[in-house]
Amino acid sequence: GAVVSQHPSWVICKSGTSVKIECRSLDFQATTMFWYRQFPKQSLMLMATSNEGSKATYEQGVEKDKFLINHASLTLSTLTVTSAHPEDSSFYICSAPGALGAYEQYFGPGTRLTVT
Amino acid sequence: SQQGEEDPQALSIQEGENATMNCSYKTSINNLQWYRQNSGRGLVHLILIRSNEREKHSGRLRVTLDTSKKSSSLLITASRAADTASYFCATAGDSGYSTLTFGKGTMLLVSP
Repeated sequence: GAVVSQHPSWVICKSGTSVKIECRSLDFQATTMFWYRQFPKQSLMLMATSNEGSKATYEQGVEKDKFLINHASLTLSTLTVTSAHPEDSSFYICSAPGALGAYEQYFGPGTRLTVT
Repeated sequence: SQQGEEDPQALSIQEGENATMNCSYKTSINNLQWYRQNSGRGLVHLILIRSNEREKHSGRLRVTLDTSKKSSSLLITASRAADTASYFCATAGDSGYSTLTFGKGTMLLVSP
């Protein structure tokens, strides 16, 4: 089946620094990827839709200048949390549709970000 | 914004028992999906039921969909300790492959 990886699995950074999270589709191409944020014991909240070769589409309330998304190839999307603050600490998960037109999504294992 | 609302929020059962989780949603959908998440991990797709379907089976999973009530249920039969996880329903709209809107999830604990 389709496999999505994320790197790193967890990261601890100091307040004010930037952190980049990678999302890769390993055995398929993904023109679209999705980025979610999940707080402890809560559900996933869609942050943005990443589109290969074009600008990402952000959900209402998500600051595009703070959460920079780059989808430079058909297998890689990156999320950069700029000037991170403790309230940005969360579990970030990416996903991709398994095939063109498919509704099912394949999820990466997630990245735990802790900002101190 | 979240659409699906699962209940119960948490469920604790013994191995061998059946587990039923319910999900309600608010808007029209193309399909509804159920996902499983082990603690601190990503989500795994379990099953998809289309809006014109009423029931679907996959192994020990049985999903029902009632579009008139905007609700779905997930039944796991003969549960195992390995089924311990959080289960989320997610709805997809009509526009091609669509963004998913997730419910709050049910935490299932299956004790040996």
